[in-house]
Amino acid sequence: AQRVTQPEKLLSVFKGAPVELKCNYSYSGSPELFWYVQYSRQRLQLLLRHISRESIKGFTADLNKGETSFHLKKPFAQEEDSAMYYCALRSAGGGADGLTFGKGTHLIIQP
Amino acid sequence: DAGVTQSPTHLIKTRGQQVTLRCSPKSGHDTVSWYQQALGQGPQFIFQYYEEEERQRGNFPDRFSGHQFPNYSSELNVNALLLGDSALYLCASSSLGRLTGELFFGEGSRLTVL
Repeated sequence: AQRVTQPEKLLSVFKGAPVELKCNYSYSGSPELFWYVQYSRQRLQLLLRHISRESIKGFTADLNKGETSFHLKKPFAQEEDSAMYYCALRSAGGGADGLTFGKGTHLIIQP
Repeated sequence: DAGVTQSPTHLIKTRGQQVTLRCSPKSGHDTVSWYQQALGQGPQFIFQYYEEEERQRGNFPDRFSGHQFPNYSSELNVNALLLGDSALYLCASSSLGRLTGELFFGEGSRLTVL
């Protein structure tokens, strides 16, 4: 069975400080990992996917298969980063398969 | 493009009743997935429809059923409602031909079972 664990329910950091949202996964095959974000009063939307290896809004995430982790990082947090962040997994090559989500981390950026 | 639209936005039912939720996918999308999000939890995959057939299903009982219409819109039906079915039900659309994994979500239908 596949599982996604986000150990922090709430993470509060000051503006300008580095941010790291943790995500660990359990999956027997080859996974694809995603970060989805939900800003206040907006819909859930894709932030980034590991296969793209890109930086979105200053965020990056590296898939570490040895540690089965996909932590989301940003060197300097901004107030507009405050949101709910969900890590999600599906099987590699799974096309449009259903995603397995973690419980989410509420990120608060304090001024 | 209005994106993914869902109706109704809120509804209240009592135990044992049946409910139907509706979803219209983003323009150009042919695949609809349904997720259940309980309070304080992440979305949980219910099932996915493509070409009017259930393509994949998560760990949900048969009380949860669905349908996809020729115009790609979809319905989620839940029979014999339980208190535990109270949740936000999210519809997400995608294009099976574009294997990016990006889902476009609706705003959800919040179901309360009393």
